[in-house]
Amino acid sequence: QQQVKQSPQSLIVQKGGISIINCAYENTAFDYFPWYQQFPGKGPALLIAIRPDVSEKKEGRFTISFNKSAKQFSLHIMDSQPGDSATYFCAASIGGGNTGKLIFGQGTTLQVKP
Amino acid sequence: GAVVSQHPSRVICKSGTSVKIECRSLDFQATTMFWYRQFPKQSLMLMATSNEGSKATYEQGVEKDKFLINHASLTLSTLTVTSAHPEDSSFYICSARDRGRKSQPQHFGDGTRLSIL
Repeated sequence: QQQVKQSPQSLIVQKGGISIINCAYENTAFDYFPWYQQFPGKGPALLIAIRPDVSEKKEGRFTISFNKSAKQFSLHIMDSQPGDSATYFCAASIGGGNTGKLIFGQGTTLQVKP
Repeated sequence: GAVVSQHPSRVICKSGTSVKIECRSLDFQATTMFWYRQFPKQSLMLMATSNEGSKATYEQGVEKDKFLINHASLTLSTLTVTSAHPEDSSFYICSARDRGRKSQPQHFGDGTRLSIL
């Protein structure tokens, strides 16, 4: 029940295309859903985050769509660029909102071809 | 912006050695720090939550006598891998909460690559 399931495991997108990564959870106690970007040999960096009282949040080329009833959320990267090539992790926080423990999804390796 | 620094960034040592990894919040005070472990091409797994001035809380399956955590000040937490063996080789990442900005997300360090020969 503490798991966050992420798909796909890997994704190849052409430059300018839309990258879509999906996550699902079971625990309705989760109250904060961030997305992280990680480059090789680096720590994860927060991209964008959403709370369950909002269905969508957009920041630049990055959009989170949140479906509370389905317990699913997704990351959309518009106009994908080669510099977006990285591993993306969804996460969910329990016991303290955005400052509590983070449960990470399995990760998606994104490759954007020029 | 808030910066979390880890040191060393990479360490290679012989089996049986104890290794200490430092996690520092450079421009904020952190009452809580988190330690994660990440194996190649896998996700981050929370190992423990470190609270300043008190004992760390370990996740299920993490040996507290193997992974010693000390959070002696508001800007420093250390993780010591005792008697390290090759299976402890991994990428260790810390994160920290800013006590003065509780609405802000935790900040991650750039990790420490530990290789045990």
